[in-house]
Amino acid sequence: DQQVKQNSPSLSVQEGRISILNCDYTNSMFDYFLWYKKYPAEGPTFLISISSIKDKNEDGRFTVFLNKSAKHLSLHIVPSQPGDSAVYFCAAIRGTDKLIFGTGTRLQVFP
Amino acid sequence: DGGITQSPKYLFRKEGQNVTLSCEQNLNHDAMYWYRQDPGQGLRLIYYSQIVNDFQKGDIAEGYSVSREKKESFPLTVTSAQKNPTAFYLCASSIGKGAYEQYFGPGTRLTVT
Repeated sequence: DQQVKQNSPSLSVQEGRISILNCDYTNSMFDYFLWYKKYPAEGPTFLISISSIKDKNEDGRFTVFLNKSAKHLSLHIVPSQPGDSAVYFCAAIRGTDKLIFGTGTRLQVFP
Repeated sequence: DGGITQSPKYLFRKEGQNVTLSCEQNLNHDAMYWYRQDPGQGLRLIYYSQIVNDFQKGDIAEGYSVSREKKESFPLTVTSAQKNPTAFYLCASSIGKGAYEQYFGPGTRLTVT
C-alpha cells in the first residue's frame, strides 16, 4: 500500500527553465509534507516543507504547492541549475507517526 | 561540526555472516532511525528509537536487530536471516518524536555475496 507516490521516475529539464516534481498521496490525515534531495551515494538532505494548513511555501528558488482536495503536492524549482540534478523524495507524516517516503524522481538539468 | 556519521561507507560480507553497521550522532537528538534504500524504491523504515533503551520495529524489521544503549549511537545488525541484505542503508535522527525533519547520515552500501 503505497501511501505516497511519485509517478515520474525521472525528469529532464534545461538549465534556466522550471522543474516541476509531483507527488500524490492517499491518506487525507497527513498533516505535514517534506521534500528531500539526494545525491548518489549520499544521505538525503531536507529541502523544504509545508503544513497541511497552507497551500504554498517558498524558499528561494524552491516552492512547494499543496492541493489538499486533489491530494497532490508539487515542488517547483526556478530557475533550474545543473547542481539541482539529484533524486528528489517527497515525504508525508501524520501527527507523531513515522515519515512515509515516495519512491523518488530523478531530476537531470542539462545545459 | 554537528552531524551523523555512518561507517564504513562500503561494506562487503559473505552470505551467512552477521554484520553491524555503525551510526553515531552528536546533534543531541532523541530519536534515531534506520532506513533501507533499494533501486526504484523509496526509503523503507527498518527500526526506530525515540529514547535510549527503547526501539520499535519499522515496516521491514525482519532479519535486522538494533540496540540503543547510548543517546548518540544506534547500531544496526544485519543478520543471516535477512534474505536480501544487499542495499544502501541510511541512518537518520530527529529532535524527538513528532519532529518532522530528519537529518540523514551519508549511508553505508552493504554488499553480500
